[in-house]
Amino acid sequence: GIQVEQSPPDLILQEGANSTLRCNFSDSVNNLQWFHQNPWGQLINLFYIPSGTKQNGRLSATTVATERYSLLYISSSQTTDSGVYFCAVANNNNDMRFGAGTRLTVKP
Amino acid sequence: EPEVTQTPSHQVTQMGQEVILRCVPISNHLYFYWYRQILGQKVEFLVSFYNNEISEKSEIFDDQFSVERPDGSNFTLKIRSTKLEDSAMYFCASIRLASNTEAFFGQGTRLTVV
Repeated sequence: GIQVEQSPPDLILQEGANSTLRCNFSDSVNNLQWFHQNPWGQLINLFYIPSGTKQNGRLSATTVATERYSLLYISSSQTTDSGVYFCAVANNNNDMRFGAGTRLTVKP
Repeated sequence: EPEVTQTPSHQVTQMGQEVILRCVPISNHLYFYWYRQILGQKVEFLVSFYNNEISEKSEIFDDQFSVERPDGSNFTLKIRSTKLEDSAMYFCASIRLASNTEAFFGQGTRLTVV
């Protein structure tokens, strides 16, 4: 199956700081999604972004499919942004795999 | 907005018992997945299902596991004889295919084996 690597594994920020999370993948993709896992364990879809750039408030994401990576940007971070962020990637056979996640801690 | 629903949200079961986790995918979706996440760990692929058969399965998906789409709406994951290490959050997901490959995930079922 497709290999997905996320970095960094852990990230600690002060409130108000900006951050960039990275997702590298090993194959051509027809789907890439970013999720935030909430304290109840639910996967909250942030972006469906197999290519290009999208923005939603303080969050934005960019996928460069030809270079096999995606970036999630969080600006002006808040304590409520804390949690684990997952990248999930599917190849052209719809084999979807998750990265190991980035655990973000935003300190007040 | 359409959503994938999973039931129950939490299930506690005795070791050795059979459990069935249920999922109702979005109605016009054609491709389905089950994933599990042991507490604090990564989300692991179990199985994908298309056209009424398993498309792909991982090494985790051994003979204790089975999936079924019994009535065209439900998509179930059965664990025949649960072990303590089956305790995890289980997620179902579906995609429409064709021009739209966005995956929609259910809210998960937390399975606790005691």
